[in-house]
Amino acid sequence: EAEVAQSPRYKITEKSQAVAFWCDPISGHATLYWYRQILGQGPELLVQFQDESVVDDSQLPKDRFSAERLKGVDSTLKIQPAELGDSAMYLCASSAVRQGLNTEAFFGQGTRLTVV
Amino acid sequence: GQSLEQPSEVTAVEGAIVQINCTYQTSGFYGLSWYQQHDGGAPTFLSYNALDGLEETGRFSSFLSRSDSYGYLLLQELQMKDSASYFCAEGRDDKIIFGKGTRLHILP
Repeated sequence: EAEVAQSPRYKITEKSQAVAFWCDPISGHATLYWYRQILGQGPELLVQFQDESVVDDSQLPKDRFSAERLKGVDSTLKIQPAELGDSAMYLCASSAVRQGLNTEAFFGQGTRLTVV
Repeated sequence: GQSLEQPSEVTAVEGAIVQINCTYQTSGFYGLSWYQQHDGGAPTFLSYNALDGLEETGRFSSFLSRSDSYGYLLLQELQMKDSASYFCAEGRDDKIIFGKGTRLHILP
């Protein structure tokens, strides 16, 4: 069964260091999302891609976060420098259908980031 | 900020029925979906409503009333494995926006 792949599963980093997360969506899925989830809360959308284009990054802290999906397939989310408040689960999701028709997104297992 | 409202916790007994409500913001809305997330796991899609009415998938049903900006998830014949967090998520302006989630506790 096709699934969204994320790596690493866990990451511990010191504050002020750089960290990167990788996501490989389900093959053929044009829409890719990065969400951040703090324990006990719902996923918060950071950035959304349609193919290689960013369609929404209004909630991405652009002074320290960046995201790219250069060939419209896999994607990387980077934080530089990391801060203590960035500790959270970072979830990648993908969907096949253009929004407006369905809101079924498939999630990866996430990267749990701990900043110390 | 969050535009969806759902209860933070619900408790029910094994074998019973439970309803989790969700209200949403209407601007740009086109559909409401529900996701389940077990501790340490990823959210998984349960259902989607774009039109008013009830959608049934096995023990789970989801309802939408666009005129009331309201929906709910109905879980029947509760099993212990249903203990999880449940999120309503609205499709709005080409995005999927999640609520804060409802933690479902099931008592034996």
